[in-house]
Amino acid sequence: DAGITQSPRHKVTETGTPVTLRCHQTENHRYMYWYRQDPGHGLRLIHYSYGVKDTDKGEVSDGYSVSRSKTEDFLLTLESATSSQTSVYFCAISESPGSSGNTIYFGEGSWLTVV
Amino acid sequence: DQQVKQNSPSLSVQEGRISILNCDYTNSMFDYFLWYKKYPAEGPTFLISISSIKDKNEDGRFTVFLNKSAKHLSLHIVPSQPGDSAVYFCAASLYGNKLVFGAGTILRVKS
Repeated sequence: DAGITQSPRHKVTETGTPVTLRCHQTENHRYMYWYRQDPGHGLRLIHYSYGVKDTDKGEVSDGYSVSRSKTEDFLLTLESATSSQTSVYFCAISESPGSSGNTIYFGEGSWLTVV
Repeated sequence: DQQVKQNSPSLSVQEGRISILNCDYTNSMFDYFLWYKKYPAEGPTFLISISSIKDKNEDGRFTVFLNKSAKHLSLHIVPSQPGDSAVYFCAASLYGNKLVFGAGTILRVKS
């Protein structure tokens, strides 16, 4: 299993509060991603990083920000949580482009409930 | 606009029989296709992939077929086992490391 740790694994928060999810990897992979999983939508990319301080938006980035100050850590922040952000969040990592199949490895997920 | 579609939300198969999971895509520039398997309360795990220059890739009980003219791929599991019961996601890669996922198909293998 890829060395990916997500924290917290479960969180309940109130609407309007800021929330930060942390992803930590021990594989020294260059690329890190945040996805959310929702019924009927599969996994959708929120933001990704291709190096320290290098990040870009995915398809559902509104309301989220990210930071990557070290290779091993990728933070996802909900500036002001809304009920529509209730979801399961998955961190993922991968090697540099060109690796066979561009395989991405996922963490175990963080369950976030916004009430 | 969903670029990767899995039109069957669920599939039920008898143990020992073949499971066929289908996936359609719209972007002809996708260069790799992958299947992921997900158990409840766990992260998705990579199952098998295929390059856009191939039409078949096999790994044990799992075979993926790619029909580029129809923009269609399928995952065959033979023989199906109860432990294969999970959600299966089809994914496609474009120019590197971003994956676009389908909505998933729940496979139930009955013993």
